[in-house]
Order: sequence, then C-alpha cells, then structure tokens
Amino acid sequence: SQQGEEDPQALSIQEGENATMNCSYKTSINNLQWYRQNSGRGLVHLILIRSNEREKHSGRLRVTLDTSKKSSSLLITASRAADTASYFCATARLTGGGNKLTFGTGTQLKVEL
Amino acid sequence: GAVVSQHPSWVICKSGTSVKIECRSLDFQATTMFWYRQFPKQSLMLMATSNEGSKATYEQGVEKDKFLINHASLTLSTLTVTSAHPEDSSFYICSASLRPGTGDLLDQPQHFGDGTRLSIL
Repeated sequence: SQQGEEDPQALSIQEGENATMNCSYKTSINNLQWYRQNSGRGLVHLILIRSNEREKHSGRLRVTLDTSKKSSSLLITASRAADTASYFCATARLTGGGNKLTFGTGTQLKVEL
Repeated sequence: GAVVSQHPSWVICKSGTSVKIECRSLDFQATTMFWYRQFPKQSLMLMATSNEGSKATYEQGVEKDKFLINHASLTLSTLTVTSAHPEDSSFYICSASLRPGTGDLLDQPQHFGDGTRLSIL
C-alpha cells in the first residue's frame, strides 16, 4: 500500500513561477527523499532530508520536513519548461533487506512557456 | 557516477513467453537492488528486494514463482517474468543502492534504471 500521499496530483504553471508540491506520510521515517521522473523513464534522485532536519536546499530546490505533521514539501523556484515531469516523495526505512523506499502517489508538474 | 543500466527498454511478446530483464550497476557495486512495477500515471510499487548472493525478499502479494529474481553479482540482478500474460504488462523499473564504504546506509539514495516497458499480447 502507498504510504505517501501527494498533492496536488497535477500542477500546471507558467515558466518562471514557483511550484510547490506536498507529501504526507503515515509512519515513522529515517529520511524522506524526492525523485523526479520524466515520462517513460526511470527516476532521478533530487534531494534527501533526514528526519532530524527541517529544511534543505539544493540549487532551485527547497525541501521542508515536519515530522510532527508527517509532511514534507518540495519547492521549485523559477521553474523552467525542462522541469516538466512527475515528482515523487519517498520515505526510507532500513530493513533486513536494505534501505527500503515507499513512494507517494506523485505530482505531475507541467511548466508552460 | 552511479549509473544503472536496464535492458531491454521495451519488450513485446506473446502470452506464455518468459521474459528476462537485466539491471546492471555500471560504475559501482550495488549492495542491494530493488525491482518495482509501475502502472500508467501511478506510483512505483516495490515488488522485491534483491541482495547479492541471497534469496530475494518479495513484497506481500507478489508471486515469487511468477517473478524470478537472481542477483548473481554485485553489479547484476535479473528479473524473469515467467509464462507472462497480458495482465503482466507494465513498466518495470530496477534500482540499486551503493555499497557503503563510510556513512549511513540510510543516506544512500537509490539509483534507477530507465525502466522496461513490457507488453504481452
């Protein structure tokens, strides 16, 4: 079953605007990661935030984590048409089989010129 | 660095055929490889976790006799869909975690292949 729920499911913005995606989860986590998927391709890791961190930046990306609310947000600033993709949050926990990720439902972002 | 190659990228075959998908870590040793299934416009569902030299761990509801996983080396894992039927048609994606030298295994992101689109006629 899916641990994470993301909203919005779909987001359409103009180039240059900021895009914010939210992710909620249900159980305790070790870290939360955001991935990007272009249509018909694999996933690309964007950023990882540990459970004891509240905010993290990487280039035009800003991620926040609120463990009390079990939620995270991904902000993409000054969006570009090339940012058009699906974005997934994933919560990580260590199991006997390794670092296991549970993915959210995803947000489809479309950035228009 | 941390490139994962998945092959083939697209397969069309007849019902009843067995299909093998390969996942290779090209420039690193992968402690663990993961196999996911993704339906159109949906999220990734973990099918199984594959550790080198040991049996794969399957998620609840995934038939181990249907989806055979072999992880013979630190750079190669294979998924074989046996006697495939139209309902097995899907997008299959593998990922690999780096073998940690230093640092926390939990902080290792997964590196994904480009996926295999399987269509069973």
